Amino acid sequence: AQSVTQPDIHITVSEGASLELRCNYSYGATPYLFWYVQSPGQGLQLLLKYFSGDTLVQGIKGFEAEFKRSQSSFNLRKPSVHWSDAAEYFCAVNGGATNKLIFGTGTLLAVQP
Amino acid sequence: DVKVTQSSRYLVKRTGEKVFLECVQDMDHENMFWYRQDPGLGLRLIYFSYDVKMKEKGDIPEGYSVSREKKERFSLILESASTNQTSMYLCASRTGGVETQYFGPGTRLLVL
Repeated sequence: AQSVTQPDIHITVSEGASLELRCNYSYGATPYLFWYVQSPGQGLQLLLKYFSGDTLVQGIKGFEAEFKRSQSSFNLRKPSVHWSDAAEYFCAVNGGATNKLIFGTGTLLAVQP
Repeated sequence: DVKVTQSSRYLVKRTGEKVFLECVQDMDHENMFWYRQDPGLGLRLIYFSYDVKMKEKGDIPEGYSVSREKKERFSLILESASTNQTSMYLCASRTGGVETQYFGPGTRLLVL
């Protein structure tokens, strides 16, 4: 069965520091992968997605993610975090006959001044 | 831009009440989804609909039903609300297949 693991529940970084949020997936075929961000009290906004092609994908707000098939990973990165990046981040995989999205449990990012 | 709206941002109901959560999208999307979000559990799929009058159970359909009479509107119904249905409910839509899902702002439901 498909699954997504986000091993970090909470992460705190200083403003201006680099960020990497981990995501591992389990899926037999080529996955369709997504990163969403949720600001407090809001719905989810798509940051970026990977369907095929270049394994390094660029998203909005300066985020990027790299698909590594050998490690079953799709980690999210940002070179310099801003205070407004404080939010919860969800990784998701889409696949299978029903094309449902399977979400990880999320990583809550705090940004220190 | 795709717009997905949900009828209420906050809702307080009593145990046993019938509760309707409405979701409307303005992009002629075929697929619509209802999720609930709980701390530490991420998003879990309740029901989804591939097209008008079509519905399929998700991972946690117990205690819920849905209605999709028009393409743009997808309703989630709690027939008899219970305290364990206190949660954040998120609606989403997409064109179809593996395309991006677009989310509404969510409804935070408290059942007393």
